[in-house]
Amino acid sequence: SQTIHQWPATLVQPVGSPLSLECTVEGTSNPNLYWYRQAAGRGLQLLFYSVGIGQISSEVPQNLSASRPQDRQFILSSKKLLLSDSGFYLCAWNPTGGSDAGELFFGEGSRLTVL
Amino acid sequence: GNSVTQMEGPVTLSEEAFLTINCTYTATGYPSLFWYVQYPGEGLQLLLKATKADDKGSNKGFEATYRKETTSFHLEKGSVQVSDSAVYFCALTPNTGFQKLVFGTGTRLLVSP
Repeated sequence: SQTIHQWPATLVQPVGSPLSLECTVEGTSNPNLYWYRQAAGRGLQLLFYSVGIGQISSEVPQNLSASRPQDRQFILSSKKLLLSDSGFYLCAWNPTGGSDAGELFFGEGSRLTVL
Repeated sequence: GNSVTQMEGPVTLSEEAFLTINCTYTATGYPSLFWYVQYPGEGLQLLLKATKADDKGSNKGFEATYRKETTSFHLEKGSVQVSDSAVYFCALTPNTGFQKLVFGTGTRLLVSP
C-alpha cells in the first residue's frame, strides 16, 4: 500500500532563517506531488506541484521554492523566512494519469511558526 | 477562473442534529466535485466525490449531490456525532488540463454532546 510522510511535524523558526520541509511517498512510482499551505483562518492554497523529477510548477509567487530530487521526494524550502510564512503545510500525492483525478492523498502536515 | 465558495463557520450543532454545509462553485466545463475532511491535527482525507451532474456522493452517512443548474454541492448528514467535529473542505477539479484541486476556505463543524 502507498504511504506518505512529511517532516518535521512542528517547527518554530526565527524570521530570516532557512526552511526545509521534506515529503516522501512510498509504494508507488512517478506520482504527482503537491505542496499546499493552510494559513490561519484561510483555506488551502496550492503552492507547488510536480509531475516528475526536476519538474516544478509554482502557483503563487513568494519566497518559497520546491525541489524534487528523486521520484518520490518533494522538498519545500526557503532561504529567509517571513512572518507571513507561518502556517500548516501539507504535502499530497496522486497517481499520474489516474482515473480518480482530484483524489489526493495527504500527509500529516507540518506546522510552521515563524517568530 | 475556477473557484469554490463555502459557508462561513463555525457551524455548531448538538449531537443527532441535521447538518448542511453549503458549497457553490464556478468553473468552465464540467468539473468533478469533492468533499474533504480534516480532523484536528491531521491532514485532509477524501470524504466523498461526484464526477458528473446529478451524481450523489456518499460516505459515513454524509451525502452531497452535484447540481449543475445551481452550481452547488452541499454536504448533508441526517444525524451528526461528536466524532464528526472537523473542518470540511469543498473542492473541484476542472477536468481540463492538469488536474489541480481548487479548495474552498473550509467550514469548521463543532458537535456537542
